Amino acid sequence: DSGVTQTPKHLITATGQRVTLRCSPRSGDLSVYWYQQSLDQGLQFLIQYYNGEERAKGNILERFSAQQFPDLHSELNLSSLELGDSALYFCASSVDGDRDYGYTFGSGTRLTVV
Amino acid sequence: AQTVTQSQPEMSVQEAETVTLSCTYDTSESDYYLFWYKQPPSRQMILVIRQEAYKQQNATENRFSVNFQKAAKSFSLKISDSQLGDAAMYFCAYRSAIGPSGTYKYIFGTGTRLKVLA
Repeated sequence: DSGVTQTPKHLITATGQRVTLRCSPRSGDLSVYWYQQSLDQGLQFLIQYYNGEERAKGNILERFSAQQFPDLHSELNLSSLELGDSALYFCASSVDGDRDYGYTFGSGTRLTVV
Repeated sequence: AQTVTQSQPEMSVQEAETVTLSCTYDTSESDYYLFWYKQPPSRQMILVIRQEAYKQQNATENRFSVNFQKAAKSFSLKISDSQLGDAAMYFCAYRSAIGPSGTYKYIFGTGTRLKVLA
């Protein structure tokens, strides 16, 4: 157990639908990052939150949105889903600051859009 | 803009042998971090090793070590005494220094798939 909890582990939904992915960061970590990994592809950075505020944005579609709540858990909302949104979505957390010990990743949510 | 390049899509190594995975990056910064992450078939991302750019000494973690060549912008991962459990996708990652607004960039390479042959 890495300490980063992602739910659900698997999600199957139809095109046009909306889903919410949830992430609880490791205790003490203030930063949460969302990544998308399509089949046999690298990691595409979506968005980062730090202590409730959006810190950085990557290649996140307008149909996607995220937020981080006061208890530091984060949710990634994906709407108007398309077949191409099928992917593994990772959440990672880190201690934000000058010393970086790397990400701690969750086990991912596998989204299948049919 | 910073980039990370892993030029080997796939590598194979015999069990108990040594293998080196390559990673090069491009940056104009002097202070940054470099990482290697492992993604086994379970798809879990696992931190393998980290290197701080201001440290000249190469990082080591048990059978894993890096060859960090700052001037050449090279960061290769050496796996000694390879084991079947080392079979995975390996990603090189770069983290920039913290900018004026408190933000930084985290960039991953495209990965190298390592096969370990029994």
